[in-house]
Amino acid sequence: AQSVAQPEDQVNVAEGNPLTVKCTYSVSGNPYLFWYVQYPNRGLQFLLKYITGDNLVKGSYGFEAEFNKSQTSFHLKKPSALVSDSALYFCAVRDGGNAGNMLTFGGGTRLMVKP
Amino acid sequence: DADVTQTPRNRITKTGKRIMLECSQTKGHDRMYWYRQDPGLGLRLIYYSFDVKDINKGEISDGYSVSRQAQAKFSLSLESAIPNQTALYFCATSDPEAGSYNEQFFGPGTRLTVL
Repeated sequence: AQSVAQPEDQVNVAEGNPLTVKCTYSVSGNPYLFWYVQYPNRGLQFLLKYITGDNLVKGSYGFEAEFNKSQTSFHLKKPSALVSDSALYFCAVRDGGNAGNMLTFGGGTRLMVKP
Repeated sequence: DADVTQTPRNRITKTGKRIMLECSQTKGHDRMYWYRQDPGLGLRLIYYSFDVKDINKGEISDGYSVSRQAQAKFSLSLESAIPNQTALYFCATSDPEAGSYNEQFFGPGTRLTVL
């Protein structure tokens, strides 16, 4: 079985400060990891993914995520937060060992960036 | 994204009514999915389809049925709606042939309220 945990329901950060949204995962095989963002009244938008290779993955809108195999984590980061980054963020994982495996999503973390 | 559309965007109905939610895509993807989103629970998979002749149950298929009318169309039905089916419903697509590792593309969602 595979699972994802986002331990924080909400993260508050001041504009211009760095932000981190946490994600930990559990899979039996190699993890394929994804971050999605959901703006109000919109569907989920893909931000970035880790499949293999460099542990630091860069994605859209200045976001990046660091894959840490020993800690089974894939935290989302941004060096300087913008008010427009305020949204709901979802981490997702699937076991890369089977092409038919589905994505499992975390419960989501609401990011609030205050001016 | 306009590539994945859902109708209706909002629906209020009564307990016991039959409801159909529709999804269309112009991305040319073979794989399509239906999820429901509930606060704090993330997205949970209801049904998925790898092609027109392949339909599979997801994590929470009870009370739902689907129809894959064509590669581009995937409908979700609630045969007899109940209040705990009140949720935000998302359709998604993916293309396993593009090396996308099951990156999924989401529609804008349908907000369903069952009274």
